[in-house]
Amino acid sequence: DQQVKQNSPSLSVQEGRISILNCDYTNSMFDYFLWYKKYPAEGPTFLISISSIKDKNEDGRFTVFLNKSAKHLSLHIVPSQPGDSAVYFCAARGLYNNNDMRFGAGTRLTVKP
Amino acid sequence: NAGVMQNPRHLVRRRGQEARLRCSPMKGHSHVYWYRQLPEEGLKFMVYLQKENIIDESGMPKERFSAEFPKEGPSILRIQQVVRGDSAAYFCASSPVDSGEAFFGQGTRLTVV
Repeated sequence: DQQVKQNSPSLSVQEGRISILNCDYTNSMFDYFLWYKKYPAEGPTFLISISSIKDKNEDGRFTVFLNKSAKHLSLHIVPSQPGDSAVYFCAARGLYNNNDMRFGAGTRLTVKP
Repeated sequence: NAGVMQNPRHLVRRRGQEARLRCSPMKGHSHVYWYRQLPEEGLKFMVYLQKENIIDESGMPKERFSAEFPKEGPSILRIQQVVRGDSAAYFCASSPVDSGEAFFGQGTRLTVV
């Protein structure tokens, strides 16, 4: 069962513009959400996270927004840079329950110079 | 502090052989997770282990796959009698007890010929 969904397999944006990556989840028990970035032939690296008590978390150019009622979160990258080109995975789990972490299928972001 | 180490990076096995994938977690991390990424798919949870214990193996195929995390040494994911459908990238992640995010290794790419 696909508990975490990233419906856009790919996204292309111009350098300097905003990139918005979306993620939906179905399990209402999830209350901690993470974004991972993955380059080819490398393991995913942690990017940013948010717990359900917040609706926004910002770290430099990266901001994650959480809409619990809609079971939706998004990652904003502003401004986008060519080095941001990678596959971005959304993940969700219970706050104190690491083993329930489920990943979306990923969105391939391409930032064009 | 070295990151999560996986070896080998690439593994080629003939159908029917055994594949052994190793994962050494980050220092101080006692939780290990294995994920599989099939071509064009996201990361699929396989198994969650603590030292000498399998906590959740709900993502593991019922046959041919096994995992262990002994008191000493790396975690091992073992696939017996490999088939072509086992070809995938296998990622290991580790986390300390109270961490929010899991840290991933670079993965082992298994090719079954």
